[in-house]
Amino acid sequence: DAMVIQNPRYQVTQFGKPVTLSCSQTLNHNVMYWYQQKSSQAPKLLFHYYDKDFNNEADTPDNFQSRRPNTSFCFLDIRSPGLGDAAMYLCATSRDQVTGEQYFGPGTRLTVT
Amino acid sequence: QKEVEQDPGPLSVPEGAIVSLNCTYSNSAFQYFMWYRQYSRKGPELLMYTYSSGNKEDGRFTAQVDKSSKYISLFIRDSQPSDSATYLCAMSVSGGTSYGKLTFGQGTILTVHP
Repeated sequence: DAMVIQNPRYQVTQFGKPVTLSCSQTLNHNVMYWYQQKSSQAPKLLFHYYDKDFNNEADTPDNFQSRRPNTSFCFLDIRSPGLGDAAMYLCATSRDQVTGEQYFGPGTRLTVT
Repeated sequence: QKEVEQDPGPLSVPEGAIVSLNCTYSNSAFQYFMWYRQYSRKGPELLMYTYSSGNKEDGRFTAQVDKSSKYISLFIRDSQPSDSATYLCAMSVSGGTSYGKLTFGQGTILTVHP
């Protein structure tokens, strides 16, 4: 089945220790998104790639970076995690940038100690 | 005022009930409307996708969009305990510089008890 896969599902890191979350997709979609979702809140868009073109949301902290080495994979790097970065991180894909029809992965729950 | 307003609930109904979930919005440029279901500690799952005004039915689920009133609804018939989840409405503007960006409601927590 075509899908969006995220690894790891659970990640524990220490305050200030860099961490990388990964996302892969078999849908062959052009657009990949990264969201942050905190408890009882809606997902918040951090950035997205349309093919190799990177687009950062204006309020995404510089502490968050992303890489997309090819169509299938996308990474979220948190350079110096703070306690406030503990959240669920969701990857989503979309065929295009027009409709907003997005398919989400299962998420990675990040804990910062 | 938020662009998309959704009653967070929680909403508790008995099994077999008809559930109505609603969102209102203020941006008349929204053209694509979605409902996502999110189980606890899982990613959102796309349930229904609608373009512009009208109704769409898929099994026990019906999505309605009324652009004149800026109001969307999701109806769940014959609700089951497995429908217990958070339901998120989401919408997007068509193309241009919006890049398919979704604007979400806050989510409604639904519990269906046996």
